[in-house]
Amino acid sequence: GQQLNQSPQSMFIQEGEDVSMNCTSSSIFNTWLWYKQDPGEGPVLLIALYKAGELTSNGRLTAQFGITRKDSFLNISASIPSDVGIYFCAGQLIYGGSQGNLIFGKGTKLSVKP
Amino acid sequence: DAGVIQSPRHEVTEMGQEVTLRCKPISGHNSLFWYRQTMMRGLELLIYFNNNVPIDDSGMPEDRFSAKMPNASFSTLKIQPSEPRDSAVYFCASIIDPVTYNEQFFGPGTRLTVL
Repeated sequence: GQQLNQSPQSMFIQEGEDVSMNCTSSSIFNTWLWYKQDPGEGPVLLIALYKAGELTSNGRLTAQFGITRKDSFLNISASIPSDVGIYFCAGQLIYGGSQGNLIFGKGTKLSVKP
Repeated sequence: DAGVIQSPRHEVTEMGQEVTLRCKPISGHNSLFWYRQTMMRGLELLIYFNNNVPIDDSGMPEDRFSAKMPNASFSTLKIQPSEPRDSAVYFCASIIDPVTYNEQFFGPGTRLTVL
């Protein structure tokens, strides 16, 4: 099946640091979404991107829809302890996908640096 | 507005028992999705409905799993008989209009443990 390669799998953050993660695929997407999941909860939508090249911010979060339509990144600036959690990218294929059906990455787990 | 509602939040059952998970999508949303999440496999789409009609059930693991959406405000996912490997967190998500938007809104999930 189709896959999204999300990296890194995990990372440790120190308060105040900037964080970056990305998703890539060999397929072309018409939508990229970024979600955050806290323990014991469902994923919560952070940012939605619908156009190639689109750069969108939501507070300290910034995400971009890659020009090639095959990738997206999420940046978190000046991280704070409540940023800890698992971040998922998700996309809808242009070809071979059905309306509303998303493919999810495996997630990037953000933890506080010990 | 209330988000996606799932019940129960936790379910512990014994192998061989029937399990029914419930979901109420956000009012006005036309599509509903059932996912399973495990550490090993991440988020897997099981089935999704558009206007109460099942569109794609290719992710349903086997005949033990079945899903229904009798009306726009209610869906069930049933496992009969349940097995220990079914232990996972099951999420329901809904979209207002899959043609225009792909933003799925997730419920809090049901954590299923099959002993």
